[in-house]
Amino acid sequence: DTEVTQTPKHLVMGMTNKKSLKCEQHMGHRAMYWYKQKAKKPPELMFVYSYEKLSINESVPSRFSPECPNSSLLNLHLHALQPEDSALYLCASSPRGDNSPLHFGNGTRLTVT
Amino acid sequence: DAKTTQPTSMDCAEGRAANLPCNHSTISGNEYVYWYRQIHSQGPQYIIHGLKNNETNEMASLIITEDRKSSTLILPHATLRDTAVYYCIVRVPFIIQGAQKLVFGQGTRLTINP
Repeated sequence: DTEVTQTPKHLVMGMTNKKSLKCEQHMGHRAMYWYKQKAKKPPELMFVYSYEKLSINESVPSRFSPECPNSSLLNLHLHALQPEDSALYLCASSPRGDNSPLHFGNGTRLTVT
Repeated sequence: DAKTTQPTSMDCAEGRAANLPCNHSTISGNEYVYWYRQIHSQGPQYIIHGLKNNETNEMASLIITEDRKSSTLILPHATLRDTAVYYCIVRVPFIIQGAQKLVFGQGTRLTINP
């Protein structure tokens, strides 16, 4: 079990669909992250939120739109995705910007058809 | 962040110590060494981290060489459940107010054999 909850676990969407991934943590962490992981590859950082403000955008295409409505919740809005965007999307959180480790969820496996 | 080099894969017998090496020859004085692992179909899991001194917790030990150019993660009594991809990451602390930038390398696929 993980303290970072991601929903849904699996998602299949067409290229014209709009969908959202959700991530929730109740550990009081103030930093939240989105990573993308293709099969047999390491996770790649996409976005970092610090105190509900976007701190890092790793040049992610605009068809991925993050949102942090409050300190416990992180969303990733998806629109007009391509089949190559199919991947495992991982959310993580951390208490603060020192040496505290990241806590990861188990991800949403996204398939774009 | 400093780059790391790890073997692509390793095997270890169940019950034996698993020693996973990591080279980070370009590490700077204030960069920490972190280890995470990822078991199949799960998110990465934090194991241990250190700066200069050797570290030990309930999961593993981390040995960092005196020149800090390499480190070894030791799982003292490996079990089948330790089969996973192990990532060695070098990270500059406190890059951004309240957050950090953690960049994963390719990792080592460790297989524990019965």
